[in-house]
Amino acid sequence: AQKVTQAQTEISVVEKEDVTLDCVYETRDTTYYLFWYKQPPSGELVFLIRRNSFDEQNEISGRYSWNFQKSTSSFNFTITASQVVDSAVYFCALSEVNSGNTPLVFGKGTRLSVIA
Amino acid sequence: DAGITQSPRHKVTETGTPVTLRCHQTENHRYMYWYRQDPGHGLRLIHYSYGVKDTDKGEVSDGYSVSRSKTEDFLLTLESATSSQTSVYFCAISEPVGDIYEQYFGPGTRLTVT
Repeated sequence: AQKVTQAQTEISVVEKEDVTLDCVYETRDTTYYLFWYKQPPSGELVFLIRRNSFDEQNEISGRYSWNFQKSTSSFNFTITASQVVDSAVYFCALSEVNSGNTPLVFGKGTRLSVIA
Repeated sequence: DAGITQSPRHKVTETGTPVTLRCHQTENHRYMYWYRQDPGHGLRLIHYSYGVKDTDKGEVSDGYSVSRSKTEDFLLTLESATSSQTSVYFCAISEPVGDIYEQYFGPGTRLTVT
């Protein structure tokens, strides 16, 4: 069975600090996808990144970076120089590869508060 | 923008009444999903569809039914709403990006069952 664990329920940081959100996953599949979504206070779910299981290369997008390590089944998300606009709930999710059908298994989310 | 709308956006209903939520998409996506979001649980899959009249159950399907008579519409029905179904409901589609499929979400429907 698939499972995603986000052990940090809430994190609070001061603006400009770096923060890492942890994600640990479980799956029996050798081919799978990992995702991060952001849910700001307005409530919508915003897609941030997708990573497939064959690509362990870390990715950087502006102040965001992701560290994927199959050896520890982790897909951690780091925000550098955090800003108040980063305040949101962040979800990590996992899906099997099954043609176009990609139902997601979500972690419970981490609420990030960035204080000015 | 994946062209997903949900209606209604907010609804308050009484226990025991039937409720139907609608998800509409404009880009002919084959795969559609219904999730519910509850504090402490993240999002959980209720039902999904892989084509017109083709649907299957997800993790938390009890008390819910779905229908998809047209590609663009995926309906979620609570036959007899209960207070435990108070939640935020999200519809999603699966969209190909190159040879990979990514999932995008509608704006959500906040349902309160009193």
